[in-house]
Amino acid sequence: GENVEQHPSTLSVQEGDSAVIKCTYSDSASNYFPWYKQELGKRPQLIIDIRSNVGEKKDQRIAVTLNKTAKHFSLHITETQPEDSAVYFCAAVVATGTASKLTFGTGTRLQVTL
Amino acid sequence: DAGVTQSPTHLIKTRGQQVTLRCSPKSGHDTVSWYQQALGQGPQFIFQYYEEEERQRGNFPDRFSGHQFPNYSSELNVNALLLGDSALYLCASSYGWVGPSYEQYFGPGTRLTVT
Repeated sequence: GENVEQHPSTLSVQEGDSAVIKCTYSDSASNYFPWYKQELGKRPQLIIDIRSNVGEKKDQRIAVTLNKTAKHFSLHITETQPEDSAVYFCAAVVATGTASKLTFGTGTRLQVTL
Repeated sequence: DAGVTQSPTHLIKTRGQQVTLRCSPKSGHDTVSWYQQALGQGPQFIFQYYEEEERQRGNFPDRFSGHQFPNYSSELNVNALLLGDSALYLCASSYGWVGPSYEQYFGPGTRLTVT
């Protein structure tokens, strides 16, 4: 089955700096890669996603890149703010027909300091 | 437009007991997936329901079972509870046919504590 590795497990940056979180996946059939942000005690929230036919996607301060050959994808947050502090999870999906199981990475705890 | 809702919010049970958790999907969604999130870990896929049938299942024992109703809501049942079943149980909803949309949206979760 699919296996997703995520690094680093913790990341501390100063406000205004950039943060990068990297993930690798094992199943070449994976075709959808969402990123979730989870604040303490709250639900995971979808913040950005990318499909396998796209190499990069950007939404304001957040961008995701995908390298299908190397089977890795990354989340980039620019101009970080204190409210970006949370745990971020990457996931990979083999989405076919009616089946779309999310396989999550182990999470990255991002702390943005003033 | 209501998002994904779950009940109850918190639950405390004793080892060996049985528990039922409930989920209502986001308006317009017809597929429900259940995940278990242990403290400090990423969510782990339990199973997914579409058209009232289990479509996919993760590596969870048969003690974990589910159901989907005609209105697309779903239940997760866990029998013979173990201490290790203590976790946050998350429900996620999506469109059944993944062609138009792949996104899964999560509910707030049910925190289950087994003593």
